[in-house]
Amino acid sequence: GAGVSQTPSNKVTEKGKYVELRCDPISGHTALYWYRQSLGQGPEFLIYFQGTGAADDSGLPNDRFFAVRPEGSVSTLKIQRTERGDSAVYLCASSPNIGQGGGLDTQYFGPGTRLTVL
Amino acid sequence: DAKTTQPNSMESNEEEPVHLPCNHSTISGTDYIHWYRQLPSQGPEYVIHGLTSNVNNRMASLAIAEDRKSSTLILHRATLRDAAVYYCILRVPQGGSEKLVFGKGTKLTVNP
Repeated sequence: GAGVSQTPSNKVTEKGKYVELRCDPISGHTALYWYRQSLGQGPEFLIYFQGTGAADDSGLPNDRFFAVRPEGSVSTLKIQRTERGDSAVYLCASSPNIGQGGGLDTQYFGPGTRLTVL
Repeated sequence: DAKTTQPNSMESNEEEPVHLPCNHSTISGTDYIHWYRQLPSQGPEYVIHGLTSNVNNRMASLAIAEDRKSSTLILHRATLRDAAVYYCILRVPQGGSEKLVFGKGTKLTVNP
């Protein structure tokens, strides 16, 4: 079946602009995650949704970053007043959350959106 | 989350076995050991996980030390397609955050 998809695959913007990054999770997956990956580093957690609500947003670096998942499927990561330091690959993952308890659901990742802030 | 330590890089030849080590000396009794890998220009993908016993699946084997302070991911016959960054991650089974905490991982190079 279809995996996690992310659009756009690449986004180039200018410092100070607003950007939206979209994630389409695997159908039926209730959990959705956003991560950010800088060059040479492992992915860094940003936010986790369980259904429509953000269950853990402790990784969002500041209030310029915001994410929504209004209908419990597609999610949008929104970055206001972009800065050059926001340049990274933004990864989305989903998991079925089949009740195994915290930490055991396999996460399925999309290919990421490469954001470049000039 | 408990910390893991992995070598920055390893090299192997095609069709030879590869043993990727991970140290997790502060692991707690209920932490699961997970491995993900990230192929070039792709998102990470799940490889395997275990608690105490060694585990096998179609992708790899996971050997866990008796004291659980270390583990080894084993690729039995490396192929060029196995060239990736491999991440060893500890996860709490109940009540812990759902997030994955990645380190820098081990970059595996497979030579033809």
